[in-house]
Amino acid sequence: GQNIDQPTEMTATEGAIVQINCTYQTSGFNGLFWYQQHAGEAPTFLSYNVLDGLEEKGRFSSFLSRSKGYSYLLLKELQMKDSASYLCAVSNTDKLIFGTGTRLQVFP
Amino acid sequence: GAGVSQSPRYKVAKRGQDVALRCDPISGHVSLFWYQQALGQGPEFLTYFQNEAQLDKSGLPSDRFFAERPEGSVSTLKIQRTQQEDSAVYLCASSLAKTANYGYTFGSGTRLTVV
Repeated sequence: GQNIDQPTEMTATEGAIVQINCTYQTSGFNGLFWYQQHAGEAPTFLSYNVLDGLEEKGRFSSFLSRSKGYSYLLLKELQMKDSASYLCAVSNTDKLIFGTGTRLQVFP
Repeated sequence: GAGVSQSPRYKVAKRGQDVALRCDPISGHVSLFWYQQALGQGPEFLTYFQNEAQLDKSGLPSDRFFAERPEGSVSTLKIQRTQQEDSAVYLCASSLAKTANYGYTFGSGTRLTVV
């Protein structure tokens, strides 16, 4: 079966660091994606990991451990505009399978 | 166009009515995907096209749902005899690649409300 788990909600303070975890069990694996989705808007691409390790892109970093079926998205120097849902998705060759998303609220 | 375009942006349908949702992908994108996103949930896969061929329709919830992409470009998702549980945002995405390995570009979605 396909199972992707991530926390439903998280809160953090402006300027802080937050880590959003994602664990997965899927029948196939060709990479893991993180998307950001603001309320009422389209998901937008943040990162892609296919090999183990950390990928850094500005304030955002993403980590993957294939042996553990685990990934995290790290957001540094949080800004109010980072309040959004963060979707973890696994590529299963021909399609992406999404988790339920983590709703992040950033407070001043 | 520059992005994936979906229309209408919002649709209110009476229960039992048929609806048609349109997706205009990025020009030249081979793959096109439809997802259903209920409130507070992640997108759920419905169906996938590679050019005009529908390669996977395993996510369509019932035979009331039908999708087509006759010329390998614009796609239409049709829902017949709509029911309240069909209320959701329907997202379309396209990709230049033949697989999902390079991610998608999503449209803004059509929010369907069945009353």
